Amino acid sequence: EAQVTQNPRYLITVTGKKLTVTCSQNMNHEYMSWYRQDPGLGLRQIYYSMNVEVTDKGDVPEGYKVSRKEKRNFPLILESPSPNQTSLYFCASKDSHNEQFFGPGTRLTVL
Amino acid sequence: AQSVTQPDIHITVSEGASLELRCNYSYGATPYLFWYVQSPGQGLQLLLKYFSGDTLVQGIKGFEAEFKRSQSSFNLRKPSVHWSDAAEYFCARNSGYSTLTFGKGTMLLVSP
Repeated sequence: EAQVTQNPRYLITVTGKKLTVTCSQNMNHEYMSWYRQDPGLGLRQIYYSMNVEVTDKGDVPEGYKVSRKEKRNFPLILESPSPNQTSLYFCASKDSHNEQFFGPGTRLTVL
Repeated sequence: AQSVTQPDIHITVSEGASLELRCNYSYGATPYLFWYVQSPGQGLQLLLKYFSGDTLVQGIKGFEAEFKRSQSSFNLRKPSVHWSDAAEYFCARNSGYSTLTFGKGTMLLVSP
């Protein structure tokens, strides 16, 4: 089944404790991205990657890092999480027809 | 920067009534436009998309949307709403080569 997977689905952590949210797609898409969703703000793009080893900032990149060492994986890294990064995170990949496929989401709470 | 505006934060519709959710996008080259639906606690599901051609596009679950360049709009419609349609709806457009810009969403409530 073609899909985007994210892990973990739920995470509660404390301020300053580094964490990684993994994202993997099995559709051989070149483009992948991360979004965060907050009430009243819709989805905002954090980072995107147009291909392996190519990443760029989205609208709200502060406090996040990404890497794209292989086509299928695009992890999101929070080196020192803060409470304002409490949010719902979505990973997505995009096909050649410009349609994005979203993962199930990761709900992160930073205490 | 490109933008997407969904003027209605909440809309309440009676079950069986027709629905129209508004979406306006900022002016630019012909956009790629999308409508997504998000049920409570769920991810995003694509309802329909417009890339080019026929300005009236059909989607899943009985939804349709019409692209109107003169009004910079891409409104979502359904002739008869079901209780299971209660969800949050997001309009989105691409910006630049790959970035997808979302509206802030419209929450649809369906009353009996």
